[in-house]
Amino acid sequence: DIQMTQSPSSLSASLGDSVTITCRASQRIDSYVNWYQQKPGRAPKLLISAASTLQSGVPSRFSGSGSATHFALTISNIQPEDYASYYCQQSTSSPGFSFGRGTKLEI
Amino acid sequence: QVHLQQSGSGLVRPSQTLSLTCAVSGGSLSSGGYSWTWVRQPLGKGLEWIGNIYHSGATRYNPSLQSRVTISGDRSKNQISLKVNFVTAADTAIYFCARLNGYYPDYYFMDVWGEGTTVIVSS
Repeated sequence: DIQMTQSPSSLSASLGDSVTITCRASQRIDSYVNWYQQKPGRAPKLLISAASTLQSGVPSRFSGSGSATHFALTISNIQPEDYASYYCQQSTSSPGFSFGRGTKLEI
Repeated sequence: QVHLQQSGSGLVRPSQTLSLTCAVSGGSLSSGGYSWTWVRQPLGKGLEWIGNIYHSGATRYNPSLQSRVTISGDRSKNQISLKVNFVTAADTAIYFCARLNGYYPDYYFMDVWGEGTTVIVSS
């Protein structure tokens, strides 16, 4: 299976800061990576698909980049509502999907 | 707007079968070319992909769960279902259904989610 190594596992940042979360795939997966935000007690929310496509309604301070095996999610000008956990996910059909272990963004 | 309503037993005894359903409202299971997926999250931990049912009816499962999992779709009821056999405490988790947008074979993303169902495996 394809392993997604996500780092860091936790991150502290202040309002207005910029942070970057990375995911490294164990094999080349083109741009088939999505990023999700999850707040406590809630279902995950899709932020970015195909490595860099921002979903409708998602603030432009979120951006994604990367291809092949290295991917990144950057949050600029952090706002109070951005404190949450973030997950990368690869979507290759064979051998199947997998998630990174998550990054908790804290104040 | 599509909404996913989950239902099923929140308490399952060890070695029994976990059964959950995910009803689709505001849209049809068979229209739009969408596929569907199940994801679970052990309490306080990260997300784990369980499996997919594609628009064609084909399924694909996480290799670590494949021997115990079945995902099916019922177009007459506009819902998908998840069954996990021979459960243990390790299957205790929040279970989510989600819509898969995109196209085969690899461009997929989970754009609509159910609210999640907490399932406890205990005698």
